[in-house]
Amino acid sequence: ETGVTQTPRHLVMGMTNKKSLKCEQHLGHNAMYWYKQSAKKPLELMFVYSLEERVENNSVPSRFSPECPNSSHLFLHLHTLQPEDSALYLCASSQEKIGRSNANTGELFFGEGSRLTVL
Amino acid sequence: SQKIEQNSEALNIQEGKTATLTCNYTNYSPAYLQWYRQDPGRGPVFLLLIRENEKEKRKERLKVTFDTTLKQSLFHITASQPADSATYLCALESSASKIIFGSGTRLSIRP
Repeated sequence: ETGVTQTPRHLVMGMTNKKSLKCEQHLGHNAMYWYKQSAKKPLELMFVYSLEERVENNSVPSRFSPECPNSSHLFLHLHTLQPEDSALYLCASSQEKIGRSNANTGELFFGEGSRLTVL
Repeated sequence: SQKIEQNSEALNIQEGKTATLTCNYTNYSPAYLQWYRQDPGRGPVFLLLIRENEKEKRKERLKVTFDTTLKQSLFHITASQPADSATYLCALESSASKIIFGSGTRLSIRP
């Protein structure tokens, strides 16, 4: 149990569907992330929210739409996806460090992921 | 261009031996480097962090080194066990709030 919960764990959707992935962290962290993990490729950073403000949007197609209503919750809204979007979507949280302070390690706490299959 | 590379896609070693995994980066100046373990179908789990002013960090059977001149980190597991079999990922902070990962090395320890 990492303190980061993702639902659903598995999702199958058609290209015309609209669905959402949900992430909740119980660690009191101030930053949350979405990563995409495809077979034989590195983890790809999609979005970063720090203090509920989006600070990174890594050239992600608009068919992926993030939402961060508060510091504990993060959503990824999906619509008109393509089969190549099938992947493991991982949510993570961290305590944002300030400058180069040694106060924390910046380590990421990941959820177990949502395995998405687009038909 | 900026890159973070883990040289071996897969590594197979005999139980009891030391496993050594390599992480190289180019065109970054990270303040620290992290190592994670990922089991199949699970999210990565943080193992160790080493800062730019540290040469070596140890945790139980794990040892990490960081050479900012060579732009390289080595990750060692001593007295390896079959339970150490997993994919190991290195990561660094490329800019504020942006942690990027290497592609990972899949380690298999045979009894």
